[in-house]
Amino acid sequence: QVQLQESGPGLVKPSETLSLTCTVSGGSVSSDNHYWSWIRQPPGKGLEWIGYMHYTGASAYTHSLKSRATMSVDTSKNQFSLKLSSVTAADTAVYYCARALPRPVLDPWGQGTLVTVSS
Amino acid sequence: EVLLTQSPGTLSLSPGERATLSCRASQSVSNNYLAWYQQKPGQAPRLLIYGASSRATGIPDRFSGSGSATDFTLTISRLEPEDSAVYYCQQYGASCSFGQGTKLEIK
Repeated sequence: QVQLQESGPGLVKPSETLSLTCTVSGGSVSSDNHYWSWIRQPPGKGLEWIGYMHYTGASAYTHSLKSRATMSVDTSKNQFSLKLSSVTAADTAVYYCARALPRPVLDPWGQGTLVTVSS
Repeated sequence: EVLLTQSPGTLSLSPGERATLSCRASQSVSNNYLAWYQQKPGQAPRLLIYGASSRATGIPDRFSGSGSATDFTLTISRLEPEDSAVYYCQQYGASCSFGQGTKLEIK
């Protein structure tokens, strides 16, 4: 079965760029039928979809983060990544990666990684 | 942006009872593209229902989804202690957005 695992720095300074990677096992990021998604959850709060990407380059982002978020897919490493620029304390959250269908039905999810934005 | 409002905020029920969770959209959800997720403390969310009423793989038939347009319901019958969790609805008909969640407590 497909499993996903997030990795990246747990602490990022304000105004810098947050970079996370999701490693996929038991499946291929080159699947024609799936997209690869990022979601975040501030501590004690609800879920926010960031966006998703297909290995061909097709992508969609939530409007509020579109100007700062960039996703990519590395088929050689079976990974996909998120970069979020100009971070502030409001970007502190648990970041999840997930597999998505062509519509963002999200299943399964990685275990999540906490990223704190602080100097 | 489609806003989703979930009610109640918290629900406290006993084992064996039935839980009814509501999700109301600010505008009609196209093609009933509405999903439900379960999140237990310290865990990632898990997909329960998609397309308003289709159960995801491995989800017990105690979980059922219904509704259309702007009003959707997740029903959990014969509650078990392990059903304690926060439940989120998600629309994916116009971009993607989540409700604020309903916390289900099993007494």
